[in-house]
Amino acid sequence: QIQLVQSGPELKKPGESVKISCKASGYTFTDYAMNWVKQAPGNGLKWMGWINTQTGKPTYADDFKQRFVFSLETSASTAYLQINNLNIEDTATYFCTRDATFDYWGQGVMVTVSS
Amino acid sequence: DIVMTQAPLSVSVTPGESASISCRSSKSLLSSKGITSLYWYLQRPGKSPQLLIYRMSNLASGVPDRFSGSGSETDFTLKISKVETEDVGVYYCGHRLEYPFTFGSGTKLEIK
Repeated sequence: QIQLVQSGPELKKPGESVKISCKASGYTFTDYAMNWVKQAPGNGLKWMGWINTQTGKPTYADDFKQRFVFSLETSASTAYLQINNLNIEDTATYFCTRDATFDYWGQGVMVTVSS
Repeated sequence: DIVMTQAPLSVSVTPGESASISCRSSKSLLSSKGITSLYWYLQRPGKSPQLLIYRMSNLASGVPDRFSGSGSETDFTLKISKVETEDVGVYYCGHRLEYPFTFGSGTKLEIK
């Protein structure tokens, strides 16, 4: 069955970096794009952008162009989200989700940024 | 950016009754290919969102046919007939017409 399994929760200090993973299984990884979605505590869903799993080309939403990096390890069917220079407003759950339809979702990674 | 507006903010439903959730987009979601790029998701408490409806009216795989989607180019409705306790959660509409993809703010469904 199709699964997106994400890495575990992270506790970071402001200014640090974090890299979270999303491992896909049950389908051909390069057949579908991977999107990233942010959900701040008690808030709704915000699309961060997507990465073309065939070419590795990322596309970022405007609010996520500065400190955010999407990358791939195609041989491991894994997508990564790295956030640099973390600040308090980055505290959120980050989901990976497949394809433009968002038909499958990872379980989410809670990133807490606190001094 | 396309703004997605949902109503109501919350709805309380007796099991077995129906519920409707409205979503309005600030721009037509009808693409040049004739596809209406409107999607519905349910996020149960403590869980990841799941796809319910794609392209306005198509039921996603494994979703009960109690769920249905309809609408026009800018006004959309998710209807849940015979609501069950497992339907509790927050419902989001979202579009995929152009970047950035955006979501509505969500409608919380509770059981009476």
